[in-house]
Amino acid sequence: AQKVTQAQTEISVVEKEDVTLDCVYETRDTTYYLFWYKQPPSGELVFLIRRNSFDEQNEISGRYSWNFQKSTSSFNFTITASQVVDSAVYFCAHTGSARQLTFGSGTQLTVLP
Amino acid sequence: GEEVAQTPKHLVRGEGQKAKLYCAPIKGHSYVFWYQQVLKNEFKFLISFQNENVFDETGMPKERFSAKCLPNSPCSLEIQATKLEDSAVYFCASSQSWQGANYGYTFGSGTRLTVV
Repeated sequence: AQKVTQAQTEISVVEKEDVTLDCVYETRDTTYYLFWYKQPPSGELVFLIRRNSFDEQNEISGRYSWNFQKSTSSFNFTITASQVVDSAVYFCAHTGSARQLTFGSGTQLTVLP
Repeated sequence: GEEVAQTPKHLVRGEGQKAKLYCAPIKGHSYVFWYQQVLKNEFKFLISFQNENVFDETGMPKERFSAKCLPNSPCSLEIQATKLEDSAVYFCASSQSWQGANYGYTFGSGTRLTVV
């Protein structure tokens, strides 16, 4: 069975600080897909990234970067120079042979001005 | 359109009443998924469709929940005889593939169901 663990329940940083959100997954699949979603206070789920298990290249998109390491089953997310608008709950998720998303429990990020 | 449209945004039902939620996926997306978000951060998969066919229904509490995706109509999720524990936000998502290819799964803004 798949499992996604986001051990950090809440993180609080001051604007312009860098912050890393951790995600550890468990799977028996050899082919699988990992995602990050942002859920701002308004409640919608915003897609951030999708990564397949065969692509361990790190990715950077503006202030966002992702570090995928199969050896440690981790898919961590870093926000550089955080801004107040980054305040949200961030979810890591996995899909594979079960053909449904398994979400982590989310990390509430608060960026203080 | 480029968004998944869920209606209504809010729904209040008395215990035992029926609730029906709707989801219009993005045109061209073959897959539709329904998730239930309870206690703010816990997501539960309910059911998925490939076009009008059930793709995976392993998460559905079949006694009271049913869902359909018919051609040329929004998909629907119906709860017969709602219970207090059904209070949650119900999200619909659509995608070009079950793996969430290209741009991941696009989620609607959700329907908040409150059972009183």
